Amino acid sequence: ETGVTQTPRHLVMGMTNKKSLKCEQHLGHNAMYWYKQSAKKPLELMFVYNFKEQTENNSVPSRFSPECPNSSHLFLHLHTLQPEDSALYLCASSHAGQGAFIGELFFGEGSRLTVL
Amino acid sequence: GDSVTQMEGPVTLSEEAFLTINCTYTATGYPSLFWYVQYPGEGLQLLLKATKADDKGSNKGFEATYRKETTSFHLEKGSVQVSDSAVYFCALNTNTNAGKSTFGDGTTLTVKP
Repeated sequence: ETGVTQTPRHLVMGMTNKKSLKCEQHLGHNAMYWYKQSAKKPLELMFVYNFKEQTENNSVPSRFSPECPNSSHLFLHLHTLQPEDSALYLCASSHAGQGAFIGELFFGEGSRLTVL
Repeated sequence: GDSVTQMEGPVTLSEEAFLTINCTYTATGYPSLFWYVQYPGEGLQLLLKATKADDKGSNKGFEATYRKETTSFHLEKGSVQVSDSAVYFCALNTNTNAGKSTFGDGTTLTVKP
């Protein structure tokens, strides 16, 4: 059972499309994350939100736009993507940082994105 | 900065064989250490963790001991099963890195009957 739910699980889009990935957590955490997992590459941290405030943007191109309306929901808005953006996008949550013990990450099952 | 180096894969074993996946780390603060597992078609899930030196994390027959003197957190299992086939990630985080966990590159394990 996972407390982090991602939708959609699979998405195919053209380079001119606009779509969004959604993540919802029911664990009472206050930090949420987007990771990108590409074949044969290390896991890449994209964005970190802590108490709804973005605390990390890991040099991600502006065609990826995160949104965190509250501590339970996280979105990743996608527009004018490139084929090399095809990957598994993983959402995670945890108890917050800010100097406090963070503990482990809880991941969703991911959204498999294919850009044509 | 922080880093995690884990044994390169892929690793292929026969059922009931002994498993070791090596993991070493460097960290600027005092890290907590984790092993995550990713089964095919799924996200990562926590397998085990240790938060201070000499702690042993264990779960589902897997074990790892936090060795501060050798900065290591090697994953072991005495007898693997086909169902253990997955990708295993070693990771750390510290209170000094603003919520960022550092992951190793992952090691793919295939267990054959």
